[in-house]
Amino acid sequence: DTGVSQDPRHKITKRGQNVTFRCDPISEHNRLYWYRQTLGQGPEFLTYFQNEAQLEKSRLLSDRFSAERPKGSFSTLEIQRTEQGDSAMYLCASSVAGYTDTQYFGPGTRLTVL
Amino acid sequence: GDSVTQMEGPVTLSEEAFLTINCTYTATGYPSLFWYVQYPGEGLQLLLKATKADDKGSNKGFEATYRKETTSFHLEKGSVQVSDSAVYFCALSDQGGTYKYIFGTGTRLKVLA
Repeated sequence: DTGVSQDPRHKITKRGQNVTFRCDPISEHNRLYWYRQTLGQGPEFLTYFQNEAQLEKSRLLSDRFSAERPKGSFSTLEIQRTEQGDSAMYLCASSVAGYTDTQYFGPGTRLTVL
Repeated sequence: GDSVTQMEGPVTLSEEAFLTINCTYTATGYPSLFWYVQYPGEGLQLLLKATKADDKGSNKGFEATYRKETTSFHLEKGSVQVSDSAVYFCALSDQGGTYKYIFGTGTRLKVLA
């Protein structure tokens, strides 16, 4: 299966620590998205890459958040100085630029900040 | 801005009952519309989609029709099974260039044997 993969699947950290998540999109997918999903809510858009360029960031993405996609392949999402409010499921999705806008989602990384 | 409104859950049905989950949207332009399903502990799986008015998406017995006049994309299934128990999300694709998704809050479905 060559779907979207995310690592780690679960992360427990203490407030104030830094965490980094990785997403490997489907190969040949040049669009990559990060979303955050809190309990009982739908996913909310965080940021978008086309190839290696980060083209949009949500206002939800505070200065403590940074995302990269070097070489247009995998992507990382880093949260510095984590807060309890950062506890959520972080979802990655990828798609192919073109006439179809269907996104394929990874299993997510569940972050718990103690 | 664009938005999606879903009926609140949970929805509890007996096996073989008819299912409707309402979804309406507000958008500029003509977005694509999607239904995703999320099983416990898993990511989102595409259930079906429609890209233009009057299109009907269908998959695994589920159907939804893109109704531009009522800005709706209601999900239906004629006979639900226990295995359909999950959370269902309606979403639209922003046509402003990034094609990011705007999701509804999700509707939890529980099907009883």
